[in-house]
Amino acid sequence: DVKVTQSSRYLVKRTGEKVFLECVQDMDHENMFWYRQDPGLGLRLIYFSYDVKMKEKGDIPEGYSVSREKKERFSLILESASTNQTSMYLCASSLYPGDDGYTFGSGTRLTVV
Amino acid sequence: GENVEQHPSTLSVQEGDSAVIKCTYSDSASNYFPWYKQELGKRPQLIIDIRSNVGEKKDQRIAVTLNKTAKHFSLHITETQPEDSAVYFCAASNNYQLIWGAGTKLIIKP
Repeated sequence: DVKVTQSSRYLVKRTGEKVFLECVQDMDHENMFWYRQDPGLGLRLIYFSYDVKMKEKGDIPEGYSVSREKKERFSLILESASTNQTSMYLCASSLYPGDDGYTFGSGTRLTVV
Repeated sequence: GENVEQHPSTLSVQEGDSAVIKCTYSDSASNYFPWYKQELGKRPQLIIDIRSNVGEKKDQRIAVTLNKTAKHFSLHITETQPEDSAVYFCAASNNYQLIWGAGTKLIIKP
């Protein structure tokens, strides 16, 4: 019954490493989102995509990039991981960009050491 | 742009009592208002939503009310139970994207 799948539940990476977080949805949704969640800060939007090969910056894009080569897959890339990117990362998808409920993945807890 | 404020940040209620979480939004064009529940270690899940042409919506023990004039909406949980313990997020949308509140940690005391 899983509809949004994030490839890793836990990741530990070293400072300076290139990190890929993968997200796949099987609902044929056009819209996909990457958030990070930190205690007391809620959900902060990193990047989103409304279509294949399309991407838009969210509120905190610095230090991140994304790739959407196929409709079902939206990847978040940390070009050079830093300790301040230690966080919980949540992927979500929706049928319509803002007029519909989002379905979230289970999250990836990334620790950068 | 849209801004959503959510209060309180933490709410502690006795089991069986009611809980109310409030959100205000800034963009009068917002027309969709969902509520999400995130249990510890789990993903946020949609529990109820309301659109701008409706003033209230109920689903068993939970209800959402919307006051468009005042630009605020609230989540009401009646007869609270231990399984209601979670973080609750509100959001507002203007058909472009969801703007999130900061979350409310609801604690149900036995």
